[in-house]
Amino acid sequence: GNSVTQMEGPVTLSEEAFLTINCTYTATGYPSLFWYVQYPGEGLQLLLKATKADDKGSNKGFEATYRKETTSFHLEKGSVQVSDSAVYFCALSDLNAGGTSYGKLTFGQGTILTVHP
Amino acid sequence: DVKVTQSSRYLVKRTGEKVFLECVQDMDHENMFWYRQDPGLGLRLIYFSYDVKMKEKGDIPEGYSVSREKKERFSLILESASTNQTSMYLCASIGAGTGNYGYTFGSGTRLTVV
Repeated sequence: GNSVTQMEGPVTLSEEAFLTINCTYTATGYPSLFWYVQYPGEGLQLLLKATKADDKGSNKGFEATYRKETTSFHLEKGSVQVSDSAVYFCALSDLNAGGTSYGKLTFGQGTILTVHP
Repeated sequence: DVKVTQSSRYLVKRTGEKVFLECVQDMDHENMFWYRQDPGLGLRLIYFSYDVKMKEKGDIPEGYSVSREKKERFSLILESASTNQTSMYLCASIGAGTGNYGYTFGSGTRLTVV
């Protein structure tokens, strides 16, 4: 079956530090890949996505590149802010856009990021 | 603004009680989902529904059932609550054929079973 593995957390950084959160996946076919973010007390929000190999998703200074050869989708940001403190989830869907899909997602375990001033 | 609304943010129930968690969406979405979120385990799919009165088991359906009598409402039922069902429960919805881009989550219900 499908699975997503994220780096162990929590991650604690100082403001303006470089962020990497590793994510690798196992899936059949050609999954779409996502990063979701959960701010304290809120539900999950889509941060960025990529639907095919070599696609780069980006949003709010965050980036992730779909690497089929290494089955990875690592999240990066060049300079984090205190407001980026949240839980980050990597996820995959095993059906690409345009196909019949119920929208089921498989999530990684989540990585807690804390950014200090 | 589009919304998925979960009826309670916090619930405390006793072991053996029947518990109903309600979720309502206002986006006319076909597909609705119930996940539970536990530290270190991420989100795990309990049940989903792709149409009124239609339901499918997810990865961890044991001890749960669901009901979808109207398109906008998807209920999760704990038939006899147990302490290992203490968790955060998240509801989500998405329109059919949108390629998972339009997933909208509710704010979650934190359930404690004592």
